Amino acid sequence: GAGVSQSPSNKVTEKGKDVELRCDPISGHTALYWYRQSLGQGLEFLIYFQGNSAPDKSGLPSDRFSAERTGGSVSTLTIQRTQQEDSAVYLCASSLVGGAFTGELFFGEGSRLTVL
Amino acid sequence: GDSVTQMEGPVTLSEEAFLTINCTYTATGYPSLFWYVQYPGEGLQLLLKATKADDKGSNKGFEATYRKETTSFHLEKGSVQVSDSAVYFCALLTGNQFYFGTGTSLTVIP
Repeated sequence: GAGVSQSPSNKVTEKGKDVELRCDPISGHTALYWYRQSLGQGLEFLIYFQGNSAPDKSGLPSDRFSAERTGGSVSTLTIQRTQQEDSAVYLCASSLVGGAFTGELFFGEGSRLTVL
Repeated sequence: GDSVTQMEGPVTLSEEAFLTINCTYTATGYPSLFWYVQYPGEGLQLLLKATKADDKGSNKGFEATYRKETTSFHLEKGSVQVSDSAVYFCALLTGNQFYFGTGTSLTVIP
């Protein structure tokens, strides 16, 4: 499809394990965001990629969290040594930036992570 | 820092009732304002937006007016439908950074 694709849609893991979450943005979108949505909470910004610029990592909650974006397209969010408080829905969004930027984010359906 | 505060839910309304979901913001610059909606089982999607003071965003019968004097962007609809049941998020954009509210769950009953 032409939308933002995230995988896996659901992930159950044991405390202490590492997990990788993948995001495939809309083709041609240069900006990519990761957010975390916990029960009863708003969207918590994690990290922002824009083209070849250094990512804005200011929202990553700890050094157990990291993300990369290869070739300006697919992004992977990695959580090491998962903790129960990491349980949440992780959302990826992409957008056009620059002259065509409308401020509209296109979201994937999210990856629900459950840490037992 | 920049932030958005929106009305807590959940909100339950009967079909054809009037809807208001309050949203206020704090921003140092001149943000753009948005309402995003998340229908059950779907990703968030843009509902409407306003990019400057006094602008009115509208879509699907929903409206919101950018009020700089009250730093607000309240969402309204005159007659809700069952299909409007969803979670609504207010958001602001400054630079390339989005700030989202906590979301308001709306359930419309027939």
